[in-house]
Amino acid sequence: EDQVTQSPEALRLQEGESSSLNCSYTVSGLRGLFWYRQDPGKGPEFLFTLYSAGEEKEKERLKATLTKKESFLHITAPKPEDSATYLCAVSIGGGTSYGKLTFGQGTILTVHP
Amino acid sequence: EAQVTQNPRYLITVTGKKLTVTCSQNMNHEYMSWYRQDPGLGLRQIYYSMNVEVTDKGDVPEGYKVSRKEKRNFPLILESPSPNQTSLYFCASSLLNGAEAFFGQGTRLTVV
Repeated sequence: EDQVTQSPEALRLQEGESSSLNCSYTVSGLRGLFWYRQDPGKGPEFLFTLYSAGEEKEKERLKATLTKKESFLHITAPKPEDSATYLCAVSIGGGTSYGKLTFGQGTILTVHP
Repeated sequence: EAQVTQNPRYLITVTGKKLTVTCSQNMNHEYMSWYRQDPGLGLRQIYYSMNVEVTDKGDVPEGYKVSRKEKRNFPLILESPSPNQTSLYFCASSLLNGAEAFFGQGTRLTVV
């Protein structure tokens, strides 16, 4: 069964304290891995797409990386406005599952000033 | 402005009373999808559509119907809602499956 697991469930950081969020997956035929940010009461907001192992993407204080089994979202010198729930999702290829998108349960990040 | 619009934002209904949640996008996206979000269970895909007249089941399709007669619209239909369908629902659209998806504002549904 395809699974996406995010860890930790919650992470509290001090402003400026860098850290990483993990997304591990057990799927066959990964077509893409996606990171989203979700603020309370709002829909998820797209951050990154990663397609192949070794790929990296960066945006401001965030950097996403991908291996064959997991993805990391690195947060460098976070600020309080980075506080949100971070979601990863995978799409798998082939057959009847081509259009499916499976999300992890998310990591709730809180950055204290 | 690129956006996905869901209506209504909030809805309280009674068990068994048919309802429709509308979703419309203005980006000419081919892929559209519906999700429900529940505490402790995360976002789960209900149905998705790769293009007009093409729809398929996600992970939790039971009790829901969808249709895709036009590219811009993807309504979610609950023929006979039950209390276990009380949830926060999101519609999303993208050019390709999952990539750079735009999400709607969400519809909070309560079935009593």
